[in-house]
Amino acid sequence: NAGVTQTPKFQVLKTGQSMTLQCAQDMNHEYMSWYRQDPGMGLRLIHYSVGAGITDQGEVPNGYNVSRSTTEDFPLRLLSAAPSQTSVYFCASSSYRGQPKAFFGQGTRLTVV
Amino acid sequence: AQKITQTQPGMFVQEKEAVTLDCTYDTSDQSYGLFWYKQPSSGEMIFLIYQGSYDEQNATEGRYSLNFQKARKSANLVISASQLGDSAMYFCAMRGETSGSRLTFGEGTQLTVNP
Repeated sequence: NAGVTQTPKFQVLKTGQSMTLQCAQDMNHEYMSWYRQDPGMGLRLIHYSVGAGITDQGEVPNGYNVSRSTTEDFPLRLLSAAPSQTSVYFCASSSYRGQPKAFFGQGTRLTVV
Repeated sequence: AQKITQTQPGMFVQEKEAVTLDCTYDTSDQSYGLFWYKQPSSGEMIFLIYQGSYDEQNATEGRYSLNFQKARKSANLVISASQLGDSAMYFCAMRGETSGSRLTFGEGTQLTVNP
């Protein structure tokens, strides 16, 4: 079972560069989310989606874009990277049916210099 | 709005002893779920246990149990017979009927198991 797959695992960007973090799940989950984890702050929600074609902002959406063209994929785009976006990023998926738990990807450690 | 509070930044326990990690929550939702996740030094998020707000019994999963006290809005994680591999960061999280799939996390507790 692949579960939730995130790529890349590590990335270094220069200030002002753009990039896309990829997230794919093979469990046919309706819900997908992106979180960032910073020291001492737990995980905070960036953007989320309740189904293909539907996205919404979370707690810290500035500087990030998302789209959900398919059930499986939920990429996160950094438009113009800033040092404040240095963080660990997690993608998660879950379903309103069956088990309520969220399945997480392995995370992407992003450093913006 | 939902809020999770974990007041223990760090905890220490001797191997084979039990330990309780505290979690309090705040929500105006009548229906909600509480989760505990483990994050070892390798970084992945591992689901441990879930408690629904209408569940009459406390959840248990192997050595993990959730001490759910609804009136006090607490959802403490109890780890029995600690093992060295339990050393990790532990996060309490919740989602409610008004938040859908969105999880709110606490700041975490770093647990160290000493031999």
